[in-house]
Amino acid sequence: AQRVTQPEKLLSVFKGAPVELKCNYSYSGSPELFWYVQYSRQRLQLLLRHISRESIKGFTADLNKGETSFHLKKPFAQEEDSAMYYCALRPSGGSNYKLTFGKGTLLTVNP
Amino acid sequence: GAVVSQHPSWVICKSGTSVKIECRSLDFQATTMFWYRQFPKQSLMLMATSNEGSKATYEQGVEKDKFLINHASLTLSTLTVTSAHPEDSSFYICSASPRDISTDTQYFGPGTRLTVL
Repeated sequence: AQRVTQPEKLLSVFKGAPVELKCNYSYSGSPELFWYVQYSRQRLQLLLRHISRESIKGFTADLNKGETSFHLKKPFAQEEDSAMYYCALRPSGGSNYKLTFGKGTLLTVNP
Repeated sequence: GAVVSQHPSWVICKSGTSVKIECRSLDFQATTMFWYRQFPKQSLMLMATSNEGSKATYEQGVEKDKFLINHASLTLSTLTVTSAHPEDSSFYICSASPRDISTDTQYFGPGTRLTVL
């Protein structure tokens, strides 16, 4: 069975501070990991995925297979980063495989 | 970019009635669509996976006779909540997976808020 754990329900930081949203996963095979973001009153959208190794809006995430983690990081948080962040996992093999979401972390960046 | 729409965006109905929610991929063909349910301030819970031209695959605990899914074409899937009750009130979200596997992602609709009185 696949499981995604986001231990922090709420995270509050000040503008300009570093931010790290934690994500741990459990899956017996080779997973693909994603971070999705949901801004207030907007639809869920893909932020980044581990296979792309990209940085989006200053966010990065590294897959650590040893620790089964995929933490999302940003060195200097901005107020517009305030949103709900979901970590998600799916088996390798294509987008038709279902995603398993964590419970989400609500990030608030204070001025 | 790929866009997924849902209709209606919100609906209020009386207990015992049925409600149909549409999910459309506007500028791409979707081989697979997913239906999720989201409770306030909680995560998305996958209800079912819908493949064009075949029966939907429901997750454990989801009543297939209550939540009827029809994926009639490569751009349209519908979710019908039959004999709705107040406990069915929730936010229903669909996502679509493009036929073009090179895009390799799911695109989410804006959601439909259902309130059952």
